[in-house]
Amino acid sequence: AQSVTQLDSHVSVSEGTPVLLRCNYSSSYSPSLFWYVQHPNKGLQLLLKYTSAATLVKGINGFEAEFKKSETSFHLTKPSAHMSDAAEYFCVVSPFNQAGTALIFGKGTTLSVSS
Amino acid sequence: DSGVTQTPKHLITATGQRVTLRCSPRSGDLSVYWYQQSLDQGLQFLIQYYNGEERAKGNILERFSAQQFPDLHSELNLSSLELGDSALYFCASSLTGKNTEAFFGQGTRLTVV
Repeated sequence: AQSVTQLDSHVSVSEGTPVLLRCNYSSSYSPSLFWYVQHPNKGLQLLLKYTSAATLVKGINGFEAEFKKSETSFHLTKPSAHMSDAAEYFCVVSPFNQAGTALIFGKGTTLSVSS
Repeated sequence: DSGVTQTPKHLITATGQRVTLRCSPRSGDLSVYWYQQSLDQGLQFLIQYYNGEERAKGNILERFSAQQFPDLHSELNLSSLELGDSALYFCASSLTGKNTEAFFGQGTRLTVV
């Protein structure tokens, strides 16, 4: 069965320091993987996606993620955090070529950014 | 703006009542998903439709039902409402419904009193 595990429920960083949000996935095949961000009282916004092209994926707002098949990981990083990055982040897997299986969400990581 | 429109944005209703949430997908998207988000349960998948047909079912209660119409908009019907149904309900749409990203609406916040 497909699944995704976000290893930290809460991450705190200082403004200007790097961000690392960790995600491991379980999939029998090469899945599509996504990161979404949700700001308070807002909908979910797609940050970036991996769909079996380049393993290093660049997204919006300076975020990027690296797909590592050997480690079954898809960690999200940003070199320098900004106050506006404070939000909930979800790692999501879409099982490969399986119609009728919805996006599978991790439980989310809350990112706090202090000045 | 994701291109997915949900109405209403807020809804307050009493226990035992029935409500209908509406979703218009992005232009060209054939698949619609419904999710429920609450503080205690997190983001829960309810149901998915593709081109009018049910594709996948998640943790959707029997009191809840949904459909996707020929014009591809979708409605989620919640009946015999309970206090615990208070949550944010999100609709998302995607082009094919598999192996692709989904775009989310801003949600409908349902409060049952």
